[in-house]
Amino acid sequence: DAGVIQSPRHEVTEMGQEVTLRCKPISGHDYLFWYRQTMMRGLELLIYFNNNVPIDDSGMPEDRFSAKMPNASFSTLKIQPSEPRDSAVYFCASSGSGTGFDEQFFGPGTRLTVL
Amino acid sequence: AQSVTQPDIHITVSEGASLELRCNYSYGATPYLFWYVQSPGQGLQLLLKYFSGDTLVQGIKGFEAEFKRSQSSFNLRKPSVHWSDAAEYFCAAFDRGSTLGRLYFGRGTQLTVWP
Repeated sequence: DAGVIQSPRHEVTEMGQEVTLRCKPISGHDYLFWYRQTMMRGLELLIYFNNNVPIDDSGMPEDRFSAKMPNASFSTLKIQPSEPRDSAVYFCASSGSGTGFDEQFFGPGTRLTVL
Repeated sequence: AQSVTQPDIHITVSEGASLELRCNYSYGATPYLFWYVQSPGQGLQLLLKYFSGDTLVQGIKGFEAEFKRSQSSFNLRKPSVHWSDAAEYFCAAFDRGSTLGRLYFGRGTQLTVWP
């Protein structure tokens, strides 16, 4: 199994630009999670999906952030417009448990730098 | 509110020395507990997990953790540290009383290993 796949691995953009991060979960997993990691705030859950449906988006910082999961094998996290404070490492994780509490498998992350 | 606390932000040990990383949780009932490790530039990898039963849990890479209900703790241990263990370690908990499928992560403990 290839594991959770994220793209791009690195993204450098200018303030005001739209950024789209992509994630392919492990096949058969029914939970997908988006996290953000920064030195100041640590690892934060942004949003998660169950069977492609958003369950909890309370961690999404503001309306500039949006996430979609059009099918079981693909999800996107979009930031529009991007700001320098959005610079962070964004992780996608997936889980195969029926209740979501089993092991979460993390992707390698996307390091976003907004200039 | 649910929370996971890792009191030590940074720990330094000599190679071959024993290691204990602390984790405390704050929940109404015993949560499901996890330890993850993050190597530089990588995603998080599960070391071990506790759901129920034997309170001493064995994990990968020679790590173990002990659940102590009376102390609300789930400390990670290793009898002899290797230089390759240098990484950041995260404790996480799932509230089994919650209908939401999310993990709560501690802020992490950075481990440095001296040769």
